[in-house]
Amino acid sequence: EAGVAQSPRYKIIEKRQSVAFWCNPISGHATLYWYQQILGQGPKLLIQFQNNGVVDDSQLPKDRFSAERLKGVDSTLKIQPAKLEDSAVYLCASRWGRADNTEAFFGQGTRLTVV
Amino acid sequence: EDKVVQSPLSLVVHEGDTVTLNCSYEVTNFRSLLWYKQEKKAPTFLFMLTSSGIEKKSGRLSSILDKKELSSILNITATQTGDSAIYLCAVSDNYGQNFVFGPGTRLSVLP
Repeated sequence: EAGVAQSPRYKIIEKRQSVAFWCNPISGHATLYWYQQILGQGPKLLIQFQNNGVVDDSQLPKDRFSAERLKGVDSTLKIQPAKLEDSAVYLCASRWGRADNTEAFFGQGTRLTVV
Repeated sequence: EDKVVQSPLSLVVHEGDTVTLNCSYEVTNFRSLLWYKQEKKAPTFLFMLTSSGIEKKSGRLSSILDKKELSSILNITATQTGDSAIYLCAVSDNYGQNFVFGPGTRLSVLP
């Protein structure tokens, strides 16, 4: 079974530039998460999708962050414009369902450095 | 707001030692508690504990859930250098909305 795929693995941009991350979840997984992990902290949820619908985006800074999962499979997360404090690892995770006792599987993440 | 606290935040031991990592939580309508190991970037799943499965064991790792104390421990016996990682604890609620993570415990196992 293929795992969660993310790209790119690393990205360095200047502040005020834009950046986009891509995630392909495990086949058949309806639930997809984007987490932000700042160095020394645990992952923090940015947005959760169930199929192509948003379940929770309460912690997404909507003035600069956006995400979509148009066909209920792949997802993209965009930051525009980036700030220095956006430097973090962006983790995508997927899960079979939502209200069941299954674990989430994580991708390798994208390490973003904003200079 | 759901909250997860882990202790210690950092731990250094020598190979062969036994370690106990702690996780405590505050969550409305608790459903499950998960332990993940994070070596580089991708957290990898270790255990899931629920009301119907409060104790799990795999090799040298074991975990117990104490629903009364709202906490869990992760034990690693006979530690090896390959156990060096960040250990993350996460909880989910009955609505299965998402996983709330703690800050992690950074474990360093010296040869």
